[in-house]
Amino acid sequence: QLQLQESGPGLVKPSETLSLTCIVSGGSIRNSGLYWGWLRQPPGKGLEWIGNIYHTGSTYYNASLKGRVTISIDTSKNQLSLKLSSVTAADTAVYFCARRCISTSCFLYWGQGTLVTVSS
Amino acid sequence: QSALTQPPSASGSPGQSVTISCTGTSSDVGDYNYVAWYQQHPGKAPKLMIYEVSKRPSGVPDRFSGSKSGNTASLTVSGLQAEDEADYYCSSSVGSNNYVFGTGTKVTVL
Repeated sequence: QLQLQESGPGLVKPSETLSLTCIVSGGSIRNSGLYWGWLRQPPGKGLEWIGNIYHTGSTYYNASLKGRVTISIDTSKNQLSLKLSSVTAADTAVYFCARRCISTSCFLYWGQGTLVTVSS
Repeated sequence: QSALTQPPSASGSPGQSVTISCTGTSSDVGDYNYVAWYQQHPGKAPKLMIYEVSKRPSGVPDRFSGSKSGNTASLTVSGLQAEDEADYYCSSSVGSNNYVFGTGTKVTVL
């Protein structure tokens, strides 16, 4: 069974860069045809898609975050990473990594999520 | 990209049915048959319940069904059970690898 686990600092200062890692177990991140993604959910609010990365490294980002977000993949460690720069309080959220459904647009496997608070 | 519009809440008694709407535009829900629905219990990750408008992933009970008409998609939960009490979110593709989510609906089992 595929499992995803997010990790990273729970507190980030305003204007700094948020960095999270998602370790994938139970399957290879480099398998052909797989897209991996990051999503977030501010406390008490709805879900927001941040971006996807293909197993080859091609990336797709939410236009509202473009310029601040970088998603990368490390096949040797079977993990993906998220960096979000110049954070503000509005970036406070639970961040989820997820694997997209195969050959269709949905997210089937999710990590448990990790809360990141932006505060000085 | 604006969030898809869902009613904030919906409710029903055990055994009854509840239907949640998800209204978008001709650029998202109306243009793609890639509408998905997620169930989220408090403090948990979302769980995929419906994809491609009306398909169920393995393990999802057939009490959950989806449909779409024009710019509005719907999720119906039939034979409501206590464990169905959760938040539900719709999502739609907007082109390849671009997604918009709904505002969320809290379903209460009375």
